Amino acid sequence: GAVVSQHPSRVICKSGTSVKIECRSLDFQATTMFWYRQFPKQSLMLMATSNEGSKATYEQGVEKDKFLINHASLTLSTLTVTSAHPEDSSFYICSASSSGTGAEQPQHFGDGTRLSIL
Amino acid sequence: SQKIEQNSEALNIQEGKTATLTCNYTNYSPAYLQWYRQDPGRGPVFLLLIRENEKEKRKERLKVTFDTTLKQSLFHITASQPADSATYLCAPNTGFQKLVFGTGTRLLVSP
Repeated sequence: GAVVSQHPSRVICKSGTSVKIECRSLDFQATTMFWYRQFPKQSLMLMATSNEGSKATYEQGVEKDKFLINHASLTLSTLTVTSAHPEDSSFYICSASSSGTGAEQPQHFGDGTRLSIL
Repeated sequence: SQKIEQNSEALNIQEGKTATLTCNYTNYSPAYLQWYRQDPGRGPVFLLLIRENEKEKRKERLKVTFDTTLKQSLFHITASQPADSATYLCAPNTGFQKLVFGTGTRLLVSP
């Protein structure tokens, strides 16, 4: 149980392109989804927290107009990297928490999207 | 600022031994702490959660301790196997369902 699917797994595109990444919870309802960015040999850096039906909360230093997040249903959140540039190249990972009570919900992660901007 | 420290150097051990990984945190007091496993090119997988009022938590060959005075958590894998080779991430909470991740410690178990 608690499977999160992330698509696509890898994207290579030209500078200036916008890229959409999907994150789906397959067998549970995800009240909250998180988007992370991970550089090689570094920790996961939280970019934003997304709650179904409301605007995402972005971490300090993350441009909300650059990284558009939509959480339209309890099973789907999307991250769109707008007008991507080489410095946006990274490993993007989403996670989802189930709709349980209390704060102590483990996060269930997708397998990430390797984004390469040429 | 909040800081999470895990050994950046890889831990090499022989199969059958106990692996012990350390997580230290500073400048805050998490209500709970989670441990995850991450394989190359994959997303992390949840292993264990321990609360601030718990000293120890076990699950099969895994054991986690949480010392709020030392601001430290230890993660143990007993009877380690080559399949346990991975990067292990410590993640204390910083808010409601929100975690901050350490850089992880890479564990290599040789046969």
